[in-house]
Amino acid sequence: DSGVTQTPKHLITATGQRVTLRCSPRSGDLSVYWYQQSLDQGLQFLIQYYNGEERAKGNILERFSAQQFPDLHSELNLSSLELGDSALYFCASSVSPGDEQFFGPGTRLTVL
Amino acid sequence: AQKVTQAQTEISVVEKEDVTLDCVYETRDTTYYLFWYKQPPSGELVFLIRRNSFDEQNEISGRYSWNFQKSTSSFNFTITASQVVDSAVYFCALLVKDGQNFVFGPGTRLSVLP
Repeated sequence: DSGVTQTPKHLITATGQRVTLRCSPRSGDLSVYWYQQSLDQGLQFLIQYYNGEERAKGNILERFSAQQFPDLHSELNLSSLELGDSALYFCASSVSPGDEQFFGPGTRLTVL
Repeated sequence: AQKVTQAQTEISVVEKEDVTLDCVYETRDTTYYLFWYKQPPSGELVFLIRRNSFDEQNEISGRYSWNFQKSTSSFNFTITASQVVDSAVYFCALLVKDGQNFVFGPGTRLSVLP
């Protein structure tokens, strides 16, 4: 158990819908990262937050957004969902940028 | 730009064999970090090791060992006397010093057969 929690574990929804994925980092970790893992794209970095502020953006679509709250938990919002958004979404946390990241169990999103 | 290459897509070995997973990275930064993660069939990503660019000392942890060679931009991972429980996808990753971009390789799927 890495100490990073993600909810829900599984999510099934339809195209065009909007969903919110939630992540709680390890106690003491200030950085939160979001990744998407799909069969054809591998593990892709989406976005990083540090102590509530966005720090880096990767291959995140404009339909996706995220935020980190004062209690350091983070949410990833996915809107106007498409079939291709079906993937495993991981959250990771670290004490600070550059430190090893510890990953949550992931949320498996299926868009029908 | 940073890049991580894991040329071996899949490897199959028989239990107790040694196996080496290759990782080649590209970066222009002089300060960077290299990682290995394991993703077993259950799906979670498990941190194995972190190495910074100034420390080329090889590391051994039980049956696992890592060979970092800056001259060839490689950070290879060897499992000695492999076990069925080692079956997983292994990812090599690169983080440059500003910590803003964590690049994963495509992964190597290791199957250890009994």
